[in-house]
Amino acid sequence: QKEVEQDPGPLSVPEGAIVSLNCTYSNSAFQYFMWYRQYSRKGPELLMYTYSSGNKEDGRFTAQVDKSSKYISLFIRDSQPSDSATYLCAMIWGSNYKLTFGKGTLLTVNP
Amino acid sequence: ETGVTQSPTHLIKTRGQQVTLRCSSQSGHNTVSWYQQALGQGPQFIFQYYREEENGRGNFPPRFSGLQFPNYSSELNVNALELDDSALYLCASSPLAGAYNEQFFGPGTRLTVL
Repeated sequence: QKEVEQDPGPLSVPEGAIVSLNCTYSNSAFQYFMWYRQYSRKGPELLMYTYSSGNKEDGRFTAQVDKSSKYISLFIRDSQPSDSATYLCAMIWGSNYKLTFGKGTLLTVNP
Repeated sequence: ETGVTQSPTHLIKTRGQQVTLRCSSQSGHNTVSWYQQALGQGPQFIFQYYREEENGRGNFPPRFSGLQFPNYSSELNVNALELDDSALYLCASSPLAGAYNEQFFGPGTRLTVL
């Protein structure tokens, strides 16, 4: 079993839809959880960073962490064509230096 | 303030050759991490350098090696290239080891091994 599982999609939605992206993990030691956005031929860009269970909101983006279920989500409200990208979840524990990524979900938002 | 830059943008090598990839970290950042991202996969951690010392390593063989220089730029060297080494190689810099909320990625170097 991989440490981090993420459905690779692809996911296609109409503009304005609410998007839900999810990851599960097996290592209960993970403490810090991140979501990255990666446009084609670019490096990943940090969207959200959280370390506690519950919700964290930033504009149209909400990150949700459920440590008891080992499940994290990213919600995008009022999705825009410019949100079309690959979304990667990533996590790390304590002072560990190794960021562990999911495979990424390819999202397309259609105008 | 400049961001993280990588060179070259892309290159093509043949099996058995050696390659050196370069990364300039963001101004003020002393930590550089390298990742390998195969097509359709998430990035996999190769190693991290903090103040010119290796600070941790992922599950990559010794033919993957690195350096960090006094100006905190870094190199990734891969010897005896294999077909499976074809991937996007990303470097990321941060102001401190472990400051992942302040880590910025470069655009990557796309390596093709024939």
